[in-house]
Amino acid sequence: DIQMTQSPSLLSASVGDRVTLSCKASQSIYNSLTWYQQKLGEAPKLLIYDANSLQTGIPSRFSGSGSGTDYTLTISNLQPEDVATYFCQKYYSGWTFGGGTKLELK
Amino acid sequence: EVQLVETGGGLVQPGKSLKLTCATSGFTFSTAWMHWVRQSPEKRLEWIARIKDKSNNYATDYVESVKGRFTISRDDSKSSVYLQMNSLKEEDTATYYCTRQTYYGYNFDYWGQGVMVTVSS
Repeated sequence: DIQMTQSPSLLSASVGDRVTLSCKASQSIYNSLTWYQQKLGEAPKLLIYDANSLQTGIPSRFSGSGSGTDYTLTISNLQPEDVATYFCQKYYSGWTFGGGTKLELK
Repeated sequence: EVQLVETGGGLVQPGKSLKLTCATSGFTFSTAWMHWVRQSPEKRLEWIARIKDKSNNYATDYVESVKGRFTISRDDSKSSVYLQMNSLKEEDTATYYCTRQTYYGYNFDYWGQGVMVTVSS
């Protein structure tokens, strides 16, 4: 089974910062990578699919990149409403989520 | 407006059964591929089941940990998807989400609000 590992597990940043979240697969997942945002008490929300495609309605400060086993979610100009836990998910050879990165404000 | 509403959760003893219902509206349910995803109390997300549409023979797939115990089904006339959970274990305790797979890929673009299932004696 392909494992998904996210780092860091907790990230503190300031409003206006550029933040980078990492997701690593145990083997190549060929860009079959999705990012979700989950705010407290809510269901996950689709942000980025196919590693770098922005879901309709998502602000352009969110972007995804990567290939092979290593993927990144970048939030430029961090906003207070971006406080959430971010999960990556692969869909190559089945759906598996990473453990999440909790993003908080300094 | 797309809506997915899960019901049927609650407290159940180990070994017992429970059936979750996800009622949907706002999209063409009959052609959608639907999934159940659960989130443990530790907040780990786990995909558990998928059902395809009629043109794909309502094919189903499950994560290994629930195979033989859980059954996903659908009723297109009611725009609803179900999760029958048998032989429940304490490790099945989680919030269960109903989700819709996007028409253009393998992602989940709409989620319900979730329903809590607690398995405990």
